[in-house]
Amino acid sequence: DGGITQSPKYLFRKEGQNVTLSCEQNLNHDAMYWYRQDPGQGLRLIYYSQIVNDFQKGDIAEGYSVSREKKESFPLTVTSAQKNPTAFYLCASSKTPNTEAFFGQGTRLTVV
Amino acid sequence: EDQVTQSPEALRLQEGESSSLNCSYTVSGLRGLFWYRQDPGKGPEFLFTLYSAGEEKEKERLKATLTKKESFLHITAPKPEDSATYLCAVQAGSGGYNKLIFGAGTRLAVHP
Repeated sequence: DGGITQSPKYLFRKEGQNVTLSCEQNLNHDAMYWYRQDPGQGLRLIYYSQIVNDFQKGDIAEGYSVSREKKESFPLTVTSAQKNPTAFYLCASSKTPNTEAFFGQGTRLTVV
Repeated sequence: EDQVTQSPEALRLQEGESSSLNCSYTVSGLRGLFWYRQDPGKGPEFLFTLYSAGEEKEKERLKATLTKKESFLHITAPKPEDSATYLCAVQAGSGGYNKLIFGAGTRLAVHP
């Protein structure tokens, strides 16, 4: 079945540690996105990529980094510079940059 | 500033009691409006895309409509399995990639 796979489902990070969230899609979509979801707020865009080897900052990119070396993969690294990383992280993809996006099941990151 | 507001924040319905959720927006150059359903701890599930005022889309008990300032998600004779958070997102802009702006969502609870 085609879809978007995020792993792990739950992730715990110690203070000062970098962690990487995985996102893989087999939909042959060109565009991929990372969003952050906090209680009571709308989804906020962290980074997006319209094609392989290219990505752009979203609204809240500070403390995060990404890569897009393959069409299928768009990993997100949460660095120690992100001061409040505890949140629900959602990866999405769309066939082209301005069509409907489809989401993975999310990774819940908690700082311990 | 582009903005998307959803109301009410939470809605409790009895099974079979029809109602509507509202998504109002202020953006420049609407490209599309998207409705998603999100279950607790899961990623959003795509429901509808609307592109122009007057457009309507239906799926089972759900019907989405669009005007120049707002969209409604009508739920007819809801069932308990319709309980979820419903998210509205607007895409606006004049070219290139136009990011999605999400509302905070409406939490719907349908009781038997």
